Amino acid sequence: EAQVTQNPRYLITVTGKKLTVTCSQNMNHEYMSWYRQDPGLGLRQIYYSMNVEVTDKGDVPEGYKVSRKEKRNFPLILESPSPNQTSLYFCASGGQGAGETQYFGPGTRLLVL
Amino acid sequence: DQQVKQNSPSLSVQEGRISILNCDYTNSMFDYFLWYKKYPAEGPTFLISISSIKDKNEDGRFTVFLNKSAKHLSLHIVPSQPGDSAVYFCAARTYGGSQGNLIFGKGTKLSVKP
Repeated sequence: EAQVTQNPRYLITVTGKKLTVTCSQNMNHEYMSWYRQDPGLGLRQIYYSMNVEVTDKGDVPEGYKVSRKEKRNFPLILESPSPNQTSLYFCASGGQGAGETQYFGPGTRLLVL
Repeated sequence: DQQVKQNSPSLSVQEGRISILNCDYTNSMFDYFLWYKKYPAEGPTFLISISSIKDKNEDGRFTVFLNKSAKHLSLHIVPSQPGDSAVYFCAARTYGGSQGNLIFGKGTKLSVKP
């Protein structure tokens, strides 16, 4: 089954404790991305990657890091989480063709205390 | 500055009637538009798209209309069903552009009442 998986699905942590949210896709997509969804703000892009070892900032990259060492994986790293990073996070992947769409993971709900 | 705007945060419709969700954009370079649907506790899923060479694209009960001169698109759902209750996101990018340039609106929450 073609899918994007994220782990964990739910996470409660404390300020300053480093965490990683994993994302994996099995569709051999070149493109992967991270979004956060907040009430009244919709989906905002954090980082994206066009291919292995190629990453770029989205609209709200501050406080986040990513890496793309393998095509299928695109982890999101919060080196020192803060309460304003409490949010719902989505990973997405897609092909690079002109009409390609993005496929989203189920989401990771993060609470930073 | 919002490039993709969904000015109605919510919409309530009776089952069987038409639902019309609106989206406006400001960037004239956008020429490929998508609608995504999102249920609670799930990720967004692709619904329908349209490129600027068309003014209408239909898929079953879902039709997207594009008015390039007004920089406006709309999603029509006919007839609306309770299972259509979800948040709908409009998104836009250039057709030949990279996926990294996909810009989302803030979403409209549709409630279809039985």
